[in-house]
Amino acid sequence: QKEVEQDPGPLSVPEGAIVSLNCTYSNSAFQYFMWYRQYSRKGPELLMYTYSSGNKEDGRFTAQVDKSSKYISLFIRDSQPSDSATYLCAMGSGGYNKLIFGAGTRLAVHP
Amino acid sequence: SQTIHQWPATLVQPVGSPLSLECTVEGTSNPNLYWYRQAAGRGLQLLFYSVGIGQISSEVPQNLSASRPQDRQFILSSKKLLLSDSGFYLCAWSAAQGALREQYFGPGTRLTVT
Repeated sequence: QKEVEQDPGPLSVPEGAIVSLNCTYSNSAFQYFMWYRQYSRKGPELLMYTYSSGNKEDGRFTAQVDKSSKYISLFIRDSQPSDSATYLCAMGSGGYNKLIFGAGTRLAVHP
Repeated sequence: SQTIHQWPATLVQPVGSPLSLECTVEGTSNPNLYWYRQAAGRGLQLLFYSVGIGQISSEVPQNLSASRPQDRQFILSSKKLLLSDSGFYLCAWSAAQGALREQYFGPGTRLTVT
């Protein structure tokens, strides 16, 4: 079993839809959680990070962590074509800031 | 503000040739530095990380090596490339201390071994 599982998609939605992206993990030692957005042929860009269970909101993006279920989500409201990208979840624990990444979910928002 | 650079952006090399990819960070001191490889349609595989000059930890046995000759410089090398070394190579940095654990990525180098 992989430490982090993420559905690779692709996920195709119409503009304006609410998007839900999810990751599950098996290591209960993970303490911090992040979401990255990666456009084609570019480096990943940090979108959200959180260190506790619950919700964190930033504009159209909401990150949700449920440590009891070992499940994290990223919600995108009012999705735009510019949101079309691959979204990677990442999590870590301990020193040296080592992160474990999901495989990424490819999202396409069509006008 | 902090900036991370990688070069070259694209590289095509024959099997058996050497490799040197460079990463530099500006605007921060004593960062943790990382090299990742991303195969097509797959997640990020951590190759090496460094917590200081000359301190390198390898995550997977492979044909590659890394060095950190200066505080904000990280180099990925190979003496003889294999076809399986093709991929998208990403350098990242994070703050060495503090509660913040985020990693910030460079633009990447796309390597094709032919």
